Amino acid sequence: EAQVTQNPRYLITVTGKKLTVTCSQNMNHEYMSWYRQDPGLGLRQIYYSMNVEVTDKGDVPEGYKVSRKEKRNFPLILESPSPNQTSLYFCASSPNWEASNYGYTFGSGTRLTVV
Amino acid sequence: QKEVEQDPGPLSVPEGAIVSLNCTYSNSAFQYFMWYRQYSRKGPELLMYTYSSGNKEDGRFTAQVDKSSKYISLFIRDSQPSDSATYLCAMSAGGRGSTLGRLYFGRGTQLTVWP
Repeated sequence: EAQVTQNPRYLITVTGKKLTVTCSQNMNHEYMSWYRQDPGLGLRQIYYSMNVEVTDKGDVPEGYKVSRKEKRNFPLILESPSPNQTSLYFCASSPNWEASNYGYTFGSGTRLTVV
Repeated sequence: QKEVEQDPGPLSVPEGAIVSLNCTYSNSAFQYFMWYRQYSRKGPELLMYTYSSGNKEDGRFTAQVDKSSKYISLFIRDSQPSDSATYLCAMSAGGRGSTLGRLYFGRGTQLTVWP
């Protein structure tokens, strides 16, 4: 089944403890992206990647890092999480940047709570 | 002003009603328009996309784009309880540079269709 898989689905952590949220897609997609979803603010883009080793900032990149060493994987790294990063996170992919204009395939989400 | 505005609702209608969901936007460069449906505790799934102005129909769903008014709509005919979800509009300029591969989302409208 074609899908975007995120892990973990739920995570509670403490301020300052580094964490990684993994994202993997099995569709050979070039374009991948991370979003956070907050009540009243909707979906906001954190980082995106056009292809392996090509990443760029979205609208809210502060406090996050990403890497794209393999085509299928696009992990999101929080080096020192803070409570304002408590949110619902989604990974998304599309065949390429042009196809992203016609929509993404989203993962099921990771609900992160930082206390 | 947020680039994409969407009334969050909630919207509650009886089964069989025609539902109208709308978004307005400020960036005249947007050319690609999408509607996503998001069920509770799930990632958004693409419903429909359109390019530039005009209408597009898919079963009970019709998407309309009026670029002159910077206004897009999604109509759901013969609404069903299974249509109960949050509906997100999204749009893209599709160009290069800072808008490359970037989607801008509305906050989402929560819809409940009761039997």
